[in-house]
Amino acid sequence: DADVTQTPRNRITKTGKRIMLECSQTKGHDRMYWYRQDPGLGLRLIYYSFDVKDINKGEISDGYSVSRQAQAKFSLSLESAIPNQTALYFCATSGRENTGELFFGEGSRLTVL
Amino acid sequence: GQNIDQPTEMTATEGAIVQINCTYQTSGFNGLFWYQQHAGEAPTFLSYNVLDGLEEKGRFSSFLSRSKGYSYLLLKELQMKDSASYLCAVSRSGNTPLVFGKGTRLSVIA
Repeated sequence: DADVTQTPRNRITKTGKRIMLECSQTKGHDRMYWYRQDPGLGLRLIYYSFDVKDINKGEISDGYSVSRQAQAKFSLSLESAIPNQTALYFCATSGRENTGELFFGEGSRLTVL
Repeated sequence: GQNIDQPTEMTATEGAIVQINCTYQTSGFNGLFWYQQHAGEAPTFLSYNVLDGLEEKGRFSSFLSRSKGYSYLLLKELQMKDSASYLCAVSRSGNTPLVFGKGTRLSVIA
């Protein structure tokens, strides 16, 4: 089984709908992240959390919110989805080691019509 | 701001050697990562450099010059399965997230 699991893996929805992407990990890491990836734009950070009581905005947090329900769970919500939020979303984790190496989930492909 | 530059696309021949460059200007530097990402899949770790010099790992090597803000990934004996995007990412400190470049898409042709 994957150490970092994302659900759903694929989702098609309509403009205005509320969407939640969930991430769970068995690596025992404190730090969790949500990125989105668009062709030609690379990975862009949406939100990150260094422990259960810590939430930080990344470079593109507008239109998104997150919840850190437990050390192992970090959810990303789109309160009212719009077409330009169509993208591949990745959850990632890292330990407290100084390197900051990231371990990625398999990705969630979201299409907003 | 943080700036990481890498070429958008490269093409190389099976069996050849290719070098993918990355230059960075960041507020703080704690190390540099290279990740490989096949289309539609998650990035996977290739290498991490914190000191100047060359790190070799099988067919892949990574080089860092901190004074020049420069790194490269060297792939030898290219195989078709090496066709992927290669992401350069900088760690600025132990308490800030990695900053990613936009990635270099490598196509290996016969």
